[in-house]
Amino acid sequence: DAGVIQSPRHEVTEMGQEVTLRCKPISGHDYLFWYRQTMMRGLELLIYFNNNVPIDDSGMPEDRFSAKMPNASFSTLKIQPSEPRDSAVYFCASSLDNSRGYTFGSGTRLTVV
Amino acid sequence: KQEVTQIPAALSVPEGENLVLNCSFTDSAIYNLQWFRQDPGKGLTSLLLIQSSQREQTSGRLNASLDKSSGRSTLYIAASQPGDSATYLCAVANSGNTPLVFGKGTRLSVIA
Repeated sequence: DAGVIQSPRHEVTEMGQEVTLRCKPISGHDYLFWYRQTMMRGLELLIYFNNNVPIDDSGMPEDRFSAKMPNASFSTLKIQPSEPRDSAVYFCASSLDNSRGYTFGSGTRLTVV
Repeated sequence: KQEVTQIPAALSVPEGENLVLNCSFTDSAIYNLQWFRQDPGKGLTSLLLIQSSQREQTSGRLNASLDKSSGRSTLYIAASQPGDSATYLCAVANSGNTPLVFGKGTRLSVIA
């Protein structure tokens, strides 16, 4: 297995534009997590799915953020409209178990100018 | 709400030195505690997992200990090498059905 695959690796966009981040989890993993990492706040959980169903989205900062998991092999995190304070590294992780065995993707570095 | 703190935020040591990284958490009723490594521009890689019933775990030159009652864990790295340079993150799960909560990490530099 190629691991958790995220795209794009880097994204630079202008304020107000829509941004879509993509994640392909490891086949067979029931859980998928979206985290955001910044120097100030560290690694924060945004949302997670179990069997394609969103379980907890309390970490999503505001309505500009949305996430979907239309099937077991694909998830998206969308920001519309984007703002400079959204600049961060966004990680996707998948696992068989909610509390352990996480495999992280390499992340998407988002810069909003 | 569980909070995880790691001190120091950054550490620089000469090659060969033994070192300890610290992690503390506010809610001692944890399910497990994990240590991860993050290399620049990369994702996180799991190093060690300690279940709440365990006191320590070892893997090669790494040893992680857990003291639930005091809300603390340490990661001991023996005979450090330049290849150990990375950010080390501590994470806890409050139950078997809740996601990991991460600390901000300690950035380690091992100087040759």
